[in-house]
Amino acid sequence: GAGVSQSPSNKVTEKGKDVELRCDPISGHTALYWYRQSLGQGLEFLIYFQGNSAPDKSGLPSDRFSAERTGGSVSTLTIQRTQQEDSAVYLCASSAWTRETQYFGPGTRLLVL
Amino acid sequence: EDQVTQSPEALRLQEGESSSLNCSYTVSGLRGLFWYRQDPGKGPEFLFTLYSAGEEKEKERLKATLTKKESFLHITAPKPEDSATYLCAVPGSSNTGKLIFGQGTTLQVKP
Repeated sequence: GAGVSQSPSNKVTEKGKDVELRCDPISGHTALYWYRQSLGQGLEFLIYFQGNSAPDKSGLPSDRFSAERTGGSVSTLTIQRTQQEDSAVYLCASSAWTRETQYFGPGTRLLVL
Repeated sequence: EDQVTQSPEALRLQEGESSSLNCSYTVSGLRGLFWYRQDPGKGPEFLFTLYSAGEEKEKERLKATLTKKESFLHITAPKPEDSATYLCAVPGSSNTGKLIFGQGTTLQVKP
């Protein structure tokens, strides 16, 4: 079956621009997670959705970052006024239920010039 | 504070040379330990979940074990295609299922 998909696979943007990253979870998975992976930092949690609500946003690094999920499916991570330190790989994962095994997408590689 | 530490950071093996990767963790109330494999330019690929001390899981040349404070990923007679970064993760104490990852061990297997 189809796994987690993310788009775009790569994104190059200029400092100060807004970007939107999309995640399509595995069909039927109710939990969705966003992580960020940067050199020297490892994988860091950003936000967790159960259905359309986000009970844990504790990993969002600043108010420039926001995310939403609609229809219990697709999620969008938005970064406003991008900075060079936002350059990283943004990974999305989904699981059937909270605390179940998470399956990851291929990631979006973001480069802010 | 929830923490996961992996060692070594990098490991170079000759094909057929068995070894082990270590993952030590500090978390309040372990609710599973996950191993993933990550190839360059790709997302992490799920390998194993372990839930209780003494549990073991195997997949081809890989075997994962769990104690109360650490997990080992044993690689028996590795092949070049086993070259990848291996990540260990535990759910954080917040009970939302968010994973706390170690920094990973990058394994290179030379023919």
